[in-house]
Amino acid sequence: AQTVTQSQPEMSVQEAETVTLSCTYDTSESDYYLFWYKQPPSRQMILVIRQEAYKQQNATENRFSVNFQKAAKSFSLKISDSQLGDAAMYFCAYRTLNSGNTPLVFGKGTRLSVIA
Amino acid sequence: EAQVTQNPRYLITVTGKKLTVTCSQNMNHEYMSWYRQDPGLGLRQIYYSMNVEVTDKGDVPEGYKVSRKEKRNFPLILESPSPNQTSLYFCASRMAGANTGELFFGEGSRLTVL
Repeated sequence: AQTVTQSQPEMSVQEAETVTLSCTYDTSESDYYLFWYKQPPSRQMILVIRQEAYKQQNATENRFSVNFQKAAKSFSLKISDSQLGDAAMYFCAYRTLNSGNTPLVFGKGTRLSVIA
Repeated sequence: EAQVTQNPRYLITVTGKKLTVTCSQNMNHEYMSWYRQDPGLGLRQIYYSMNVEVTDKGDVPEGYKVSRKEKRNFPLILESPSPNQTSLYFCASRMAGANTGELFFGEGSRLTVL
């Protein structure tokens, strides 16, 4: 079974600085998706960024980028120029690439605080 | 606006009193799913549905039922709620098939069972 591990339960960053959240996963599949979701105090699950495993290029979305290391099964999220609105719980998630039930497998989350 | 709508958003109930959390999506998605979120455990899948009248158990189905009579609706039923079902619940949907990626989430339903 696939597992996702986020080893940092809590992180903090100064406003305008850069922070990296770690995520590792375990799978025997070769094709899959990886995601980072943000959950602010409103509790809404917001997709931050996604990565297809067959793409070697790291995904980027404005201030958010990933470092995808397929061989190491690592998928870290870098937030540049951190803003107060980035404070949230961040979840790393994995999904295999097949047409059946492919539930998102979530890590336990990293709570990010942004210090003004 | 494309969305997944859950109701109620908050509910406090007592042990044994049947309740239903509704979920509706307006994106014509075939696949729908329920997750529960608990501190330190992340999100875990309860049930899912690949299409109308097709449902199956996820990782933590005990104490829950679902139905999928219409494509847009996927209610979660707690026949006899217990305190260990106190949790934050999310409904989610996406298109079926392999290369569809993103799961769209509802806003969550906070359930407390006394």
